[in-house]
Parts: sequence; C-alpha cells; structure tokens
Amino acid sequence: ELKVEQNPLFLSMQEGKNYTIYCNYSTTSDRLYWYRQDPGKSLESLFVLLSNGAVKQEGRLMASLDTKARLSTLHITAAVHDLSATYFCAVEGVNAGGTSYGKLTFGQGTILTVHP
Amino acid sequence: GAVVSQHPSWVICKSGTSVKIECRSLDFQATTMFWYRQFPKQSLMLMATSNEGSKATYEQGVEKDKFLINHASLTLSTLTVTSAHPEDSSFYICSARDLRQPQHFGDGTRLSIL
Repeated sequence: ELKVEQNPLFLSMQEGKNYTIYCNYSTTSDRLYWYRQDPGKSLESLFVLLSNGAVKQEGRLMASLDTKARLSTLHITAAVHDLSATYFCAVEGVNAGGTSYGKLTFGQGTILTVHP
Repeated sequence: GAVVSQHPSWVICKSGTSVKIECRSLDFQATTMFWYRQFPKQSLMLMATSNEGSKATYEQGVEKDKFLINHASLTLSTLTVTSAHPEDSSFYICSARDLRQPQHFGDGTRLSIL
C-alpha cells in the first residue's frame, strides 16, 4: 500500500524567509504532484514531476523529485503572505511494469502561515 | 487548460434525503473520473474510481450502496449520496483525466446534512 508523508504539517514562517516542505512516499513511483489549497476551495495544481531529478520552478516555489530516495521537496524562497495556504503532495501509484494506476495518494498536507 | 466543472458547489439538506453531485469535463473526454472526500483540516481521501461505461471501483471502507457513482458518458460522472446523515457532511471533490493528462480537479461540493 502506497503511503505518503509530508513534514512539517504546520509551518509558520516570517516574510522573507526560506523553508522546505518534504514529501516522502513508500513505494516506487516517478509521478508526483504538488497542489495548493486555500480555505474553502478545491485544489490548484502547482507542479507535475514525472521523472527522477525533475526540478520545476514557479515564482517563489521550486519543486524537485528524487525517485531513488522516494522524496520530493517544495522549497519556498523569500516567503510572502500570499503564499499562506495548505500544500499537498500526491503520488500516483504505478505497477511493477511502470504502468500508472491513475490513482493519487495524498500526503497529510502542510498548513503554511506567512506572517510579517 | 483542461476544465472540470462540479455542481452544485454547496448543498444543505435534511437527514435522510439523497443528494446528487455532478462532475463534468468541459473541454476533454475523461476516460477516468475520481471522487474524493475531505473532512475539515484533513487530507483528500479517494472514495472511488470510475471509468466510462463500467462500474466504479470503490476504495476499502466506502459503502458502494450509499455512494452511488454513475459515469455514463466521457464527460459526465455523478455521485449520489443516498439517505444522507450528518456524518456524511464533508467536502466532495471530483477529478477527471484522459490518458494523456494528469488529473484535473473540480471546484468541490460542500455538503451539509442537518
């Protein structure tokens, strides 16, 4: 059974600081997604990481994937208040032949609060 | 970009009634649709996977007779919560994908059972 763990679960940051959210998963996969969720809203797709070593950046956020370590990171640079939200990673299960099941397993989410 | 529409966005109803939620892919044909449930301050939990024209596959612990899923066309899936009770109150989110794309999420339906 695929398990996905994020840490930290709660992150209180000062504006202008840097921090990293970690996403570990338990079985082989090379398909990992990062989402943002604002209160009362659905998910907003941030990054799609589909291979080992993939690195993507958008604004103050950068995501990377290490499939050998079964680890993805979401790095926040010079945080601003607008980044306050809950961030989820999700891993797509694949079988031994590398074929995707299509199902996503989500991490617990990281509640990020950026304050002055 | 791909758009998934979910309706209604919010529903309040009395205990014992049935509620239907629609999920539509507006600009692509969704071979697979997924239904998730999210309780307050928790993560998304997959309830079921539905493929067009076939029966849905439910995750362990999800009552198939209570949560009826129909995926009658490549652009529409429905989730019916039958005889809803207060413990069914939650945020329900659908997603849709075709073979080439990752999942695209709807805006969610907040269900409140009184």
